[in-house]
Amino acid sequence: DAKTTQPTSMDCAEGRAANLPCNHSTISGNEYVYWYRQIHSQGPQYIIHGLKNNETNEMASLIITEDRKSSTLILPHATLRDTAVYYCIVRVEYNNAGNMLTFGGGTRLMVKP
Amino acid sequence: ETGVTQSPTHLIKTRGQQVTLRCSSQSGHNTVSWYQQALGQGPQFIFQYYREEENGRGNFPPRFSGLQFPNYSSELNVNALELDDSALYLCASSNDRRNTEAFFGQGTRLTVV
Repeated sequence: DAKTTQPTSMDCAEGRAANLPCNHSTISGNEYVYWYRQIHSQGPQYIIHGLKNNETNEMASLIITEDRKSSTLILPHATLRDTAVYYCIVRVEYNNAGNMLTFGGGTRLMVKP
Repeated sequence: ETGVTQSPTHLIKTRGQQVTLRCSSQSGHNTVSWYQQALGQGPQFIFQYYREEENGRGNFPPRFSGLQFPNYSSELNVNALELDDSALYLCASSNDRRNTEAFFGQGTRLTVV
């Protein structure tokens, strides 16, 4: 799986959009971009994933650049409960791929009142 | 609440001992994987089981072994415990389709003294 690079930490004001960048310059054409987050003392939680088109769900939006070398996770209205470590992961998808995820260091997002 | 349960939640063992950690996967999920998360780091993939067979393994020594049962629950066994084995052990389950998300349990905190 391709390696990702994320800032170590970021701050965001409550109610504002949180934009978390991820660089994956060596991504292959068949690799997807996944985002998970881990709130303190809990297991990681799936947020969103995509291949090349932008994606949106009830939690977040994922913007992938046209060359696919970077992406941005957007939390449109951050709340204090969004304080967590956010992991960007790229991986190949195939049947029975299951949960073989390669986590990096992630970005520690602190949402402040 | 992900439907993935792990036991015990906390455990203290002595160096050289053996330990068994347990995981019940979410209903309908036939794939389970285990991760080790040292303090301040991202989770590291140990291995994955699909339909009772190991189908992926990370860079962990053979003293880390596992089992998956017909009901898809799973065990992680670690022999000859070392101090560096102190970590949060996470279990994740998913089904065998493509682009599937992993559901993580809350983890077992193992301390080796």
